Amino acid sequence: AQKVTQAQTEISVVEKEDVTLDCVYETRDTTYYLFWYKQPPSGELVFLIRRNSFDEQNEISGRYSWNFQKSTSSFNFTITASQVVDSAVYFCALSSNSNSGYALNFGKGTSLLVTP
Amino acid sequence: DAGVTQSPTHLIKTRGQQVTLRCSPKSGHDTVSWYQQALGQGPQFIFQYYEEEERQRGNFPDRFSGHQFPNYSSELNVNALLLGDSALYLCASSSGRASIADTQYFGPGTRLTVL
Repeated sequence: AQKVTQAQTEISVVEKEDVTLDCVYETRDTTYYLFWYKQPPSGELVFLIRRNSFDEQNEISGRYSWNFQKSTSSFNFTITASQVVDSAVYFCALSSNSNSGYALNFGKGTSLLVTP
Repeated sequence: DAGVTQSPTHLIKTRGQQVTLRCSPKSGHDTVSWYQQALGQGPQFIFQYYEEEERQRGNFPDRFSGHQFPNYSSELNVNALLLGDSALYLCASSSGRASIADTQYFGPGTRLTVL
């Protein structure tokens, strides 16, 4: 079964705090891709990162960083020094051959609210 | 460089009616996927079009159909609308490499309300 779980439904932090959004996935495939998307109130999903199953290096992009651990089937996303503009719903997604190839299988999302 | 565009932005229909949603892919992309996002949920895959054919379909009834035109734009049609079809419909485009590695880029969505 292919499944993405984002256990945190809502997170509220004060500006400048660090926050980590959790993503746990299930797949029987050895080759798969993981994605993070941001959905601001406007509704458009904004692509943040893609990671393949063979690359476990952590990645940093500005205030964003991602921690991929195959041993725990997790692909967590950390925002350092959060800002009000980071307020959005964040989705983790999985694509793999068993997941019928081309479809993205999304988690239910984590709503992040950053207050001044 | 234009991103994915969708029209209309909002739509209100009544039960039993039919609706057509439109999508133009990002420049250089030739594959279009459609997703349904209910309130408070993650997007659910409806189907994907490539070379004017439905390449893959999710778990949606035949009331949901689509089309892709030679210019790669696409339409999503929903017949016999139900209240449960009320959702944000998202279009995503990607290159046609037919790979699970393809990154899908999303449009702003069409908010459909069925009364």
